[in-house]
Amino acid sequence: QQQVKQSPQSLIVQKGGISIINCAYENTAFDYFPWYQQFPGKGPALLIAIRPDVSEKKEGRFTISFNKSAKQFSLHIMDSQPGDSATYFCAASSSSGTYKYIFGTGTRLKVLA
Amino acid sequence: NAGVTQTPKFQVLKTGQSMTLQCAQDMNHEYMSWYRQDPGMGLRLIHYSVGAGITDQGEVPNGYNVSRSTTEDFPLRLLSAAPSQTSVYFCASSRPGQGLPYGYTFGSGTRLTVV
Repeated sequence: QQQVKQSPQSLIVQKGGISIINCAYENTAFDYFPWYQQFPGKGPALLIAIRPDVSEKKEGRFTISFNKSAKQFSLHIMDSQPGDSATYFCAASSSSGTYKYIFGTGTRLKVLA
Repeated sequence: NAGVTQTPKFQVLKTGQSMTLQCAQDMNHEYMSWYRQDPGMGLRLIHYSVGAGITDQGEVPNGYNVSRSTTEDFPLRLLSAAPSQTSVYFCASSRPGQGLPYGYTFGSGTRLTVV
């Protein structure tokens, strides 16, 4: 019930391509879905987040797509750049509890120049 | 504005030793959490706090203690270090608004090695 499953584990994309990372959750009480970006040696940083009242949110080259019925959400990175090479984590939280975050296991993205 | 400050950045302990990982935030955030990050396992919640004087266990609390005497500080204590506690530890804080969760701000981490 508490898991968030993330795929793929690693991803290699050519510069200018689209990177897509997927997450699936089980707990229907989750109502906040953030994505975090982590560079080596640094802490994760909030990239973009969505709540289930919308199906898509876009911020620059980053888009979250949300499918409530399928209990899935994904991160799309358009025009991927070498500077986007990092590890990406999805997460889920619920406002009907203690706001604990459950994180996915992470996706290591490498964008080739 | 310092955000979330963790000390030390690196630490080597011998098995059986105890130590405290420090975490302080200056954003007046109510919620604070400790995570450990291990390869292939993502971020796992150790302990969390929803306010001063209130703490609770996360997914992997064994071998760790926490306390929250002030809003700003949330130290993590390793009682008797074991090699399985070799990991990178992150402290994070958040201030939910209008009954909704918001994004966490993470510290830069403490890399702990237990030998």
